[in-house]
Amino acid sequence: AQSVTQLGSHVSVSEGALVLLRCNYSSSVPPYLFWYVQYPNQGLQLLLKYTSAATLVKGINGFEAEFKKSETSFHLTKPSAHMSDAAEYFCAVSTNQAGTALIFGKGTTLSVSS
Amino acid sequence: GAVVSQHPSRVICKSGTSVKIECRSLDFQATTMFWYRQFPKQSLMLMATSNEGSKATYEQGVEKDKFLINHASLTLSTLTVTSAHPEDSSFYICSAQKSGANVLTFGAGSRLTVL
Repeated sequence: AQSVTQLGSHVSVSEGALVLLRCNYSSSVPPYLFWYVQYPNQGLQLLLKYTSAATLVKGINGFEAEFKKSETSFHLTKPSAHMSDAAEYFCAVSTNQAGTALIFGKGTTLSVSS
Repeated sequence: GAVVSQHPSRVICKSGTSVKIECRSLDFQATTMFWYRQFPKQSLMLMATSNEGSKATYEQGVEKDKFLINHASLTLSTLTVTSAHPEDSSFYICSAQKSGANVLTFGAGSRLTVL
């Protein structure tokens, strides 16, 4: 069985500050991990995914995430927040590289203030 | 890039009526499509996996007779909410997997409000 826990339902940062969104997973098989972003009234957009090729994964819009097996974590970071980063972020786990049958976390709302 | 379109984006209906939501892959063929449901401020929950030309596979707890899924072609899957009730009000999102590829594309979602 697989599950995802996102710590913090709401994160607020100032523009230019570091963004850190936390995600911990549980999986009985080697996991494939994903981060998605959802803007209001829109579908999900893939930010990045971990498919075991490299533990540090770089995604779009300057985001990156590091897979740490010992900590069962896949936290999402961005060095400098931009106002346009304000959105809902979902961490998800799957048993396959394509990310089908995803198990999602409850999401974290990121607010960015000027 | 791969684009998935959902229609309608918003729909309001009366209790007891049925509503059909379409999910189309516009520029690729999708052997498999997925339907999710998202309640306000909550995560997406997988409802069912739709395979072209065969019956959908429903997740535990999802009523297949209430949420009818049809995947008649490689570019279209439909979700019909039958005899809708206010508790069915939700955001329904589909995703499509490009045939032969490890790529999943999400639609923009359809917000259903049942009065």
